[in-house]
Amino acid sequence: AQSVAQPEDQVNVAEGNPLTVKCTYSVSGNPYLFWYVQYPNRGLQFLLKYITGDNLVKGSYGFEAEFNKSQTSFHLKKPSALVSDSALYFCAVRASNTGGFKTIFGAGTRLFVKA
Amino acid sequence: DTGVSQDPRHKITKRGQNVTFRCDPISEHNRLYWYRQTLGQGPEFLTYFQNEAQLEKSRLLSDRFSAERPKGSFSTLEIQRTEQGDSAMYLCASSLDQGWEGYTFGSGTRLTVV
Repeated sequence: AQSVAQPEDQVNVAEGNPLTVKCTYSVSGNPYLFWYVQYPNRGLQFLLKYITGDNLVKGSYGFEAEFNKSQTSFHLKKPSALVSDSALYFCAVRASNTGGFKTIFGAGTRLFVKA
Repeated sequence: DTGVSQDPRHKITKRGQNVTFRCDPISEHNRLYWYRQTLGQGPEFLTYFQNEAQLEKSRLLSDRFSAERPKGSFSTLEIQRTEQGDSAMYLCASSLDQGWEGYTFGSGTRLTVV
């Protein structure tokens, strides 16, 4: 069965500092991995995805994520945080070897960027 | 195309009543998904469609829940005999057929059962 763990309920960083939001996953076979962001009173927005190839993937708003197969992790990163990055971030996984395309989401990590 | 639309945005209903939600996906997206999100949790998978075919249902989807996508375009999610535990945000998403595509989510329908 697929699962996603986001070990931190909240991450606090100062504006301008680098940020990391952690995610580990469990899936049979090779994973497709995703990050989504949810701003208050808004729907989830797709940020980036890992399918295959380069372990470092780049996405929207300057975010990137690093895939580590041995650690089954897919941490979200940004070199310099903005106050406007404050939101709820969800990691998600989908098994690539099934036809179902069902995506499983983590519980979310709230990012708070302080000015 | 204005993205994924969900209607209504909010629904307050009395326990025991039936409710129906509608989702209009992006027109060229063949796949449509329903998720449920409660406060402090990530979205939980409910069901998904490829065109008009419902291909997978979660065990979370009890007999009181039914979803349809009759012409492969819009979809409806009906909850019969609502219970207070059904109170949640119901999210609809759509995607292209390729398995590696991210989803486009609607803004959701917030259901409150009183």
